[in-house]
Amino acid sequence: KNQVEQSPQSLIILERKNCTLQCNYTVSPFSNLRWYKQDTGRGPVSLTIMTFSENTKSNGRYTATLDADTKQSSLHITASQLSDSASYICVVSLYAGNNRKLIWGLGTSLAVNP
Amino acid sequence: EAQVTQNPRYLITVTGKKLTVTCSQNMNHEYMSWYRQDPGLGLRQIYYSMNVEVTDKGDVPEGYKVSRKEKRNFPLILESPSPNQTSLYFCASSHEGPYEQYFGPGTRLTVT
Repeated sequence: KNQVEQSPQSLIILERKNCTLQCNYTVSPFSNLRWYKQDTGRGPVSLTIMTFSENTKSNGRYTATLDADTKQSSLHITASQLSDSASYICVVSLYAGNNRKLIWGLGTSLAVNP
Repeated sequence: EAQVTQNPRYLITVTGKKLTVTCSQNMNHEYMSWYRQDPGLGLRQIYYSMNVEVTDKGDVPEGYKVSRKEKRNFPLILESPSPNQTSLYFCASSHEGPYEQYFGPGTRLTVT
């Protein structure tokens, strides 16, 4: 069964600290993996995308890694800011005939406290 | 400004009263999609459209209809809303296929 599991479900950290969010998937055939940031009550916004051959990609203070062998990805946030408080969703795309299908994780809710 | 707009942003209605949530994008995107988001269930795709006049069911299409008569617009229609359709709805668009999707601001629907 195609699944995307994220951990932890929620996380509280202090401002300026680093944190790492995890995403494990059982999706085949794999196309790409994307991380989205979703502020409360707003639509998700894409942070990074990685294909099978990429194992790391950065977007400012956000760095995503991908291990296609173990089917794991992580999102590392450096020097967190209050504005990083949001839900972070991992989405894996798989090939489905001529189309792509997305498998969404449930997200990790991050709270950054002063 | 490139954006996806949805209207209304908030809606409270009663069971059985037909409603339409509009979605419009100004990026000339071919692919558009509707999602609902519920606590503990994440984002689930309702319907999607690869291009004008081409629509297809997502994972949870029951109770919903869509149409794509113009490239920029993709309305979501609830012919007879029920309380289990109370949810947060997002419209999204992308250049081609479900790749980098741009999401609208969301419509919070309550059906009593």
